[in-house]
Amino acid sequence: EPEVTQTPSHQVTQMGQEVILRCVPISNHLYFYWYRQILGQKVEFLVSFYNNEISEKSEIFDDQFSVERPDGSNFTLKIRSTKLEDSAMYFCASSEMGGYNEQFFGPGTRLTVL
Amino acid sequence: KNEVEQSPQNLTAQEGEFITINCSYSVGISALHWLQQHPGGGIVSLFMLSSGKKKHGRLIATINIQEKHSSLHITASHPRDSAVYICAPSSSNSGYALNFGKGTSLLVTP
Repeated sequence: EPEVTQTPSHQVTQMGQEVILRCVPISNHLYFYWYRQILGQKVEFLVSFYNNEISEKSEIFDDQFSVERPDGSNFTLKIRSTKLEDSAMYFCASSEMGGYNEQFFGPGTRLTVL
Repeated sequence: KNEVEQSPQNLTAQEGEFITINCSYSVGISALHWLQQHPGGGIVSLFMLSSGKKKHGRLIATINIQEKHSSLHITASHPRDSAVYICAPSSSNSGYALNFGKGTSLLVTP
């Protein structure tokens, strides 16, 4: 059964460093999303991506964040200069179409900023 | 902004009990998603509905669009149902992003 994959499963970085989180969505899906969950809190939306551009972003997704689909399979989230408060679980999701389709989630990348 | 309220926040049930989790939201939506988050953190989509009722195995989800309310029912609960259940509306106005509720933590004891 097709699934969303994410790498790495755990990333430890120093404050101020750049990190790139990688996702491989399900192959025939057209909508891609990044969410994050700070420990003990609810899941929060970061950004949605369709047709090679951002379709929506939240207030959290400021200038230090960027997303890219560098090839036909990968979908990446870059954090340019990490802060302590960026420590969270980051989930990638994809859906076949937009609103009337389920979103399928990857297993997440746990980012720890020291 | 769509405010999402779930109740109860925590629920403990005996194996076999019928369970209901409720979700209310404040703004009109395109669809309502129910998801399950396992203790290890993984998120699984259970249902996506925009009207009426859906059933999958022992799980039933209903939605009342006019009242902005949805319920998730689990029949004949089992310890393996122990997880966090999350309601998440989505809207075309926000790029179909899921607006997650805080979740209901369910523990089913043998």
